Amino acid sequence: DAGVIQSPRHEVTEMGQEVTLRCKPISGHNSLFWYRQTMMRGLELLIYFNNNVPIDDSGMPEDRFSAKMPNASFSTLKIQPSEPRDSAVYFCASSPTLGGRYTEAFFGQGTRLTVV
Amino acid sequence: DAKTTQPNSMESNEEEPVHLPCNHSTISGTDYIHWYRQLPSQGPEYVIHGLTSNVNNRMASLAIAEDRKSSTLILHRATLRDAAVYYCILRDVTSGSRLTFGEGTQLTVNP
Repeated sequence: DAGVIQSPRHEVTEMGQEVTLRCKPISGHNSLFWYRQTMMRGLELLIYFNNNVPIDDSGMPEDRFSAKMPNASFSTLKIQPSEPRDSAVYFCASSPTLGGRYTEAFFGQGTRLTVV
Repeated sequence: DAKTTQPNSMESNEEEPVHLPCNHSTISGTDYIHWYRQLPSQGPEYVIHGLTSNVNNRMASLAIAEDRKSSTLILHRATLRDAAVYYCILRDVTSGSRLTFGEGTQLTVNP
């Protein structure tokens, strides 16, 4: 398996534009997580899904952020409109279930977003 | 979420053992103790996890206190490639699978 795949790896956009980050989890994994990492705030959990259903989106900063998981092999994180303070590295991770219990999470390489 | 407390930074010498501590005094009975690390410019990487008993794998060992209120990640022979931020996380695997990171410990390995 190629691991968790995120695209694009780098994104530079102008303030006010829509940004869509994409994630392909590892096949067979039941959970999917979106994180944001900045120097000031560290690694923040934005939202996570179990079996394609959003379970907790309390970490989503505001209504400009939205996430979807239309099927088990694809998820998107959208920011509309983007602002300079959204500049960060965004990570996607997926986690399998073993015997009904979730085990380790596998992270993608991240998308570095710069909003100018 | 039950909280963990780790030192901000630690230093070690190459080829020496490293003991990274973590306090989690409010741990619940269904919380597993997970450790992840993040190397520079990479996503976090799973290291090890346990519930009550000590655990070993090819990367590290996890020693869990009898009352489960603290744990220690042990790297038996540190290498320069082990320089990273190490995160101790409590994960309640019976109520969803939330995985929340704290500030972690920045490990520096000196040659």
